[in-house]
Amino acid sequence: QVQLVQSGAEVKKPGASVKVSCKSSGYIFSTYGISWVRLAPGQGPQWLGWISPYNGNIKYAQRFQGRVTMTTDTSTSTAYLELRSLRPDDTAVYYCARDDRDDYYYMDVWGKGTTVTVSS
Amino acid sequence: EIELTQSPATLSLSPGERATLSCRASQSVGIFLAWYQQKPGQAPRLLIYDTSNRATGVPARFSGSGSGTDFTLTISSLEPEDFAVYYCQQRNNWLTFGGGTKVDIK
Repeated sequence: QVQLVQSGAEVKKPGASVKVSCKSSGYIFSTYGISWVRLAPGQGPQWLGWISPYNGNIKYAQRFQGRVTMTTDTSTSTAYLELRSLRPDDTAVYYCARDDRDDYYYMDVWGKGTTVTVSS
Repeated sequence: EIELTQSPATLSLSPGERATLSCRASQSVGIFLAWYQQKPGQAPRLLIYDTSNRATGVPARFSGSGSGTDFTLTISSLEPEDFAVYYCQQRNNWLTFGGGTKVDIK
């Protein structure tokens, strides 16, 4: 079946970086895009951006520009999210989700989430 | 950035009752609005896309309507598994989510 399997929980200090992986299975990786969304306690979801494994196109949400990098490895059907200069308010559950190949639209398959805790 | 405001924040209803959830956009999003359901400890699940289209496997008791700035998710008769948090999301101008409506058991 179609799945996105994410890497395990992370604890980081302020100023550090975190890299989360998202391995897909059950579909052809390059025929869909991947969006990244985070959910912090008591808040609505925040979209970080979208990447297309098909052609490498990337769109980052403005509030994360300069701090985020999204990549894919088509040989392993894996997407990656790196977030730098972490702050305590980056503490959240980070999700990868399957999106459209050509642009961000709606997300029909989600990973189980990766908890990132930022604390000194 | 388009802001999405969901109301009410919490909706307390009994199984079998009708639920009506609202999502208002700060500017027009056309029909490019989706609804997601999230249960505790789970990832969000896509329910409705492009205002009124049910995603694969979504029961017919879920329906969406609206256009422009005002949208509604209706659950015609609540089942026990429908008690959850619901988020709206627009894709007309970048991508943003609403703050959510929690549907809990009265």
